[in-house]
Amino acid sequence: GENVEQHPSTLSVQEGDSAVIKCTYSDSASNYFPWYKQELGKGPQLIIDIRSNVGEKKDQRIAVTLNKTAKHFSLHITETQPEDSAVYFCAASNAGGTSYGKLTFGQGTILTVHP
Amino acid sequence: GAVVSQHPSWVICKSGTSVKIECRSLDFQATTMFWYRQFPKQSLMLMATSNEGSKATYEQGVEKDKFLINHASLTLSTLTVTSAHPEDSSFYICSARNVGAGDAFFGQGTRLTVV
Repeated sequence: GENVEQHPSTLSVQEGDSAVIKCTYSDSASNYFPWYKQELGKGPQLIIDIRSNVGEKKDQRIAVTLNKTAKHFSLHITETQPEDSAVYFCAASNAGGTSYGKLTFGQGTILTVHP
Repeated sequence: GAVVSQHPSWVICKSGTSVKIECRSLDFQATTMFWYRQFPKQSLMLMATSNEGSKATYEQGVEKDKFLINHASLTLSTLTVTSAHPEDSSFYICSARNVGAGDAFFGQGTRLTVV
């Protein structure tokens, strides 16, 4: 099955700095890679996703890059703000048939943005 | 994004009793829903895949007689933790796959505490 590794486990930055979180996956059949933000006591919230036919996607301060050959994908947050502080999870999925939506998650990254 | 409502958000029950958690897709139809379990400071672990009108598919190591799943309609799936014990205390999260778009959205989670 799929295995997703996420690094770092914790990340501390100053407000205004950039934050980068990296994930690797093992199953070459995976073709959908979402990123989730989870605040304490809440469910994960989708913040950005990328599909395997795209190398990069950007949404305001958030961007995701994908390297299919190396099986790497990364989340980039620029101009970080204290409200960005949360746990971030990457995930991978094979978007085919009944397995679509079945996600394998990384271990999570606790991001702390200091004012 | 699409809205998935999970109820209750928290529940405390006595050891030996059963608890039912509901997951509803409010503005879309979901043929497939997923149930996850999350321990403190850990990632989400898939428990089972719930398909409307058919039996759920459980991940390895998850007791299907312990965690009963019913997906009776395109907008509702339920997870019943039977004969709950303190070790069942956890954060349970559902996600629903949007038939139209294919993406999966998460509920807000249910904090179960068994005393």
